[in-house]
Amino acid sequence: QKEVEQDPGPLSVPEGAIVSLNCTYSNSAFQYFMWYRQYSRKGPELLMYTYSSGNKEDGRFTAQVDKSSKYISLFIRDSQPSDSATYLCAPAGSGGYQKVTFGTGTKLQVIP
Amino acid sequence: GAGVSQSPSNKVTEKGKDVELRCDPISGHTALYWYRQRLGQGLEFLIYFQGNSAPDKSGLPSDRFSAERTGESVSTLTIQRTQQEDSAVYLCASSSTVPGGYTFGSGTRLTVV
Repeated sequence: QKEVEQDPGPLSVPEGAIVSLNCTYSNSAFQYFMWYRQYSRKGPELLMYTYSSGNKEDGRFTAQVDKSSKYISLFIRDSQPSDSATYLCAPAGSGGYQKVTFGTGTKLQVIP
Repeated sequence: GAGVSQSPSNKVTEKGKDVELRCDPISGHTALYWYRQRLGQGLEFLIYFQGNSAPDKSGLPSDRFSAERTGESVSTLTIQRTQQEDSAVYLCASSSTVPGGYTFGSGTRLTVV
């Protein structure tokens, strides 16, 4: 079993839709949860960074972590064509060096 | 610099040749990471540097792969006797906190022919 599981998609939605992207993980030591966005032929860029369970909102983006079920979500409201990219969930442990473990990414296409 | 810089951006090499990939991290970032991303695949961890030491090199796939870092500056990933399966995008990232948000470079696209 992979440490981080993520549906690869592709996920196609119309412009303006609410998008839900999800990951599950198996390592209970994960304490930090990040989402990265990767445009084609570019390196990933940090989108959201949260610690432990709960919600975090930043503009149209909301990250949600449920540590009891080991489930991570990213919601995008009022999706735009510019949101078309691959989204990678990336949990990490705490205490000294704990490398980030990346999901394989979900490819999102927002259709105008 | 303002971001993580990688060079070259593209490299085509013949099977069996050695290649060197370079990464210039953000100034002041003590942690540096190398990842590999094959076409349509996720990120595969290769090696982590804290300063110029590499406490985690567990992801290097074979002894043909090596990396070094000068102080808290430039890092070089070397692949010896390249094979076709080495074809991928090699991404470098740096961070100031561990764990923390990584800043990635745009990668080096390596093609072994």
